[in-house]
Amino acid sequence: DQQVKQNSPSLSVQEGRISILNCDYTNSMFDYFLWYKKYPAEGPTFLISISSIKDKNEDGRFTVFLNKSAKHLSLHIVPSQPGDSAVYFCAASYTGTASKLTFGTGTRLQVTL
Amino acid sequence: EAGVTQFPSHSVIEKGQTVTLRCDPISGHDNLYWYRRVMGKEIKFLLHFVKESKQDESGMPNNRFLAERTGGTYSTLKVQPAELEDSGVYFCASSPSPWRWTEAFFGQGTRLTVV
Repeated sequence: DQQVKQNSPSLSVQEGRISILNCDYTNSMFDYFLWYKKYPAEGPTFLISISSIKDKNEDGRFTVFLNKSAKHLSLHIVPSQPGDSAVYFCAASYTGTASKLTFGTGTRLQVTL
Repeated sequence: EAGVTQFPSHSVIEKGQTVTLRCDPISGHDNLYWYRRVMGKEIKFLLHFVKESKQDESGMPNNRFLAERTGGTYSTLKVQPAELEDSGVYFCASSPSPWRWTEAFFGQGTRLTVV
């Protein structure tokens, strides 16, 4: 039973355009969400997070939106750059299980010139 | 400051053999986690140490997997005997506290291939 889902395995975007990566979750107890970026042969690195008390968090070119009623979050990258090409994982946790993150399957983003 | 380090980076073993993966966390991080990603699938939680104690091992697949963290420093994850379905990338992460995920760091992973 996959509680965090990333239904798009891959996404291709032109440099300078907006990249939108989506994530859905099923467990309504999740109250903290994170996005990780992963390059080949490296571990995931933290990108941006959002608490369930907010609906938006912004950090430079990266913005995460949370729609609790739809159990949906998205990561917007504007403008996209070639260095953004990587696999992006959505992850979630809740206070009762703070010891672990539940990840999605990842979306491979390719930013083309 | 050194990050989370994992050894080896890649291991190829035959079914039925034993393999031991090692993780060196960031110095001072009491919390250490093991995760695994089977090809193309999600990254799945295996277990969580607080210092040398197992806080949560609910993600361990079966009793062929044994994790230890002697002295609360580095950790090992032993698979004995290895099966084909154990193939994947094993990630270790460490953090100063269980709730501060923004301060958690992952290692580069160990790619385990069982043939």
